[in-house]
Amino acid sequence: DIQMTQSPSSLSASVGDRITITCRASQSISSLLNWYQQKPGKSPSLLIYAVSRLQSGVPSRFSGSGSGTDFTLTVSSLEPEDFATYYCQQSYSPPLTFGGGTRVEIK
Amino acid sequence: EVQLVESGGTLVQPGGSLRLSCAVSGFTVSSNYLSWVRQAPGKGLEWVTVIHSDGKTDYADSVKGRFTISRDNSKNTLYLHMNGLRAEDTAFYYCATSTVGATYGDFDYWGQGTLVTVSS
Repeated sequence: DIQMTQSPSSLSASVGDRITITCRASQSISSLLNWYQQKPGKSPSLLIYAVSRLQSGVPSRFSGSGSGTDFTLTVSSLEPEDFATYYCQQSYSPPLTFGGGTRVEIK
Repeated sequence: EVQLVESGGTLVQPGGSLRLSCAVSGFTVSSNYLSWVRQAPGKGLEWVTVIHSDGKTDYADSVKGRFTISRDNSKNTLYLHMNGLRAEDTAFYYCATSTVGATYGDFDYWGQGTLVTVSS
């Protein structure tokens, strides 16, 4: 199975900050890497698929990059609604696997 | 508009069985990949199983041999049949599908989830 390792597991930031979350795969997953946002009590929602493709309706302050085994999610300027937990996920081969999550909290 | 609505979650004893349902609207269940993803309370996401449009299925090792995914085209509904339930199966169960990407795992639609609690 492909292991997905996210870091950090949590971070504190302020509105307007730029944040970066990293995700590392245990083997190459080409460009088949997705990012999800989940708010408490809600279902996850797709932010970015195929490394850098912004899902419809997602603000342009979110961006993704990387290839092979190393990937990043960047939020250029945090808004209040961005405080949530973020997960990376590989869709390269079954079993599909998720990272452990990064909780973004208000400083 | 695509909608996924899960039901069937409840409290069940260890070793028991349960069937979850996911009512689909906006597309036909036979035309797209559909997955179940679960999340233990306060924990991360775990993919459970997928049924492909051609009927092929895949499972996580943690549920292989105990869970079965199926669909009813006439009811446009996805199911998850769970047998031999264990405490570690306690989770919110989401059905999810992909309409955007090149793979079945780019989940752009999710249901609201249904809670399965395995406890005596």
